[in-house]
Amino acid sequence: GDSVTQMEGPVTLSEEAFLTINCTYTATGYPSLFWYVQYPGEGLQLLLKATKADDKGSNKGFEATYRKETTSFHLEKGSVQVSDSAVYFCALSEAQNSGYALNFGKGTSLLVTP
Amino acid sequence: GAVVSQHPSRVICKSGTSVKIECRSLDFQATTMFWYRQFPKQSLMLMATSNEGSKATYEQGVEKDKFLINHASLTLSTLTVTSAHPEDSSFYICSAHPSGSGNTIYFGEGSWLTVV
Repeated sequence: GDSVTQMEGPVTLSEEAFLTINCTYTATGYPSLFWYVQYPGEGLQLLLKATKADDKGSNKGFEATYRKETTSFHLEKGSVQVSDSAVYFCALSEAQNSGYALNFGKGTSLLVTP
Repeated sequence: GAVVSQHPSRVICKSGTSVKIECRSLDFQATTMFWYRQFPKQSLMLMATSNEGSKATYEQGVEKDKFLINHASLTLSTLTVTSAHPEDSSFYICSAHPSGSGNTIYFGEGSWLTVV
């Protein structure tokens, strides 16, 4: 079945450092890929998404490129801020198999220090 | 943008009682909504798919008699945790897929349930 694997956290970075959170997936078809962010005590927010190979999703300085050849969707940001501290979830959805239900990775906790 | 509202955001209930959580799409119709559960410091696990006008589809290992799902209209799905126990304490979150919107998915704010 489909699955998502994320690098384990917690990740601790200094402000303005470069961020990479790795995400790889397995899927039987052609999934859409997502990054969600969960700030402390809050629900999920969609950060960015990509629906086909080579698509790049971007939002708030974060980027991720859908790499079919490596089945990856790594999240990057050039300069993190303290306000980026949160848990980040990589997820996939295969409409034809799951009807838009999401399969999540375990989440990566990010802490950015001043 | 589209909004999905969950209520209540936090609830405390006594063991043995039942609690209902609502998931409402405010400006779109959703024939399908999803319910997830998140344990502390863990990922979200799909519990069930809520289908308007028909029975919910539960994931393996989820007790359908304990977690009652009702999708009575195109904008409302409810999750009722029956005979709650402390181990049911968790974060419950719903998502909704607007009809005809492709792969757009919107999440509610989530509901923190504490059973004492």
